[in-house]
Amino acid sequence: GAGVSQSPSNKVTEKGKDVELRCDPISGHTALYWYRQSLGQGLEFLIYFQGNSAPDKSGLPSDRFSAERTGGSVSTLTIQRTQQEDSAVYLCASSRTGDQPQHFGDGTRLSIL
Amino acid sequence: KNEVEQSPQNLTAQEGEFITINCSYSVGISALHWLQQHPGGGIVSLFMLSSGKKKHGRLIATINIQEKHSSLHITASHPRDSAVYICAVRDYSNFGNEKLTFGTGTRLTIIP
Repeated sequence: GAGVSQSPSNKVTEKGKDVELRCDPISGHTALYWYRQSLGQGLEFLIYFQGNSAPDKSGLPSDRFSAERTGGSVSTLTIQRTQQEDSAVYLCASSRTGDQPQHFGDGTRLSIL
Repeated sequence: KNEVEQSPQNLTAQEGEFITINCSYSVGISALHWLQQHPGGGIVSLFMLSSGKKKHGRLIATINIQEKHSSLHITASHPRDSAVYICAVRDYSNFGNEKLTFGTGTRLTIIP
């Protein structure tokens, strides 16, 4: 399978806990994106990584959210002290370069109790 | 007012009908994407275009930069085309920043 892989596919956790979501982009893709889709809402940009450049974090909703991309490949999105409003599907996408079509993973469905 | 607006929000049609979904945007853009989200949630990129028209199978996407408008057409629609179709734009002022702004989607249902 050469697609974008996300894990876990589902995550249920209690309010206040920290969670880590993982994204494995397509090999060779330099651009990686995180998006969020809340129930009944449209897609919302969170963060963008391009190669070794500083990431564009302009979409992160609060300082509880952070993301890193190690070695230009795998990325982890971390949400600290989760709140119920963080419940959403978190989607990762990658593209060969920043101006190419994006390939999406199946997402992680996060539920905060 | 949202930067990206789609119409209609919901569309139900009979199999075989010609389908048009519209997207209007309010900012200068460097590219526009059409995405398809299946009922199971998976998202597929259909088109990325910055001018003119693109065709892939039964799908056609057009864009008019002057009018800030794009359309997605489906010819000979089929029940498997049932999905949410999402328009997204890359703001020209964000050159080098590939952030996309999304429309809220059009839910298409094709009845056999």
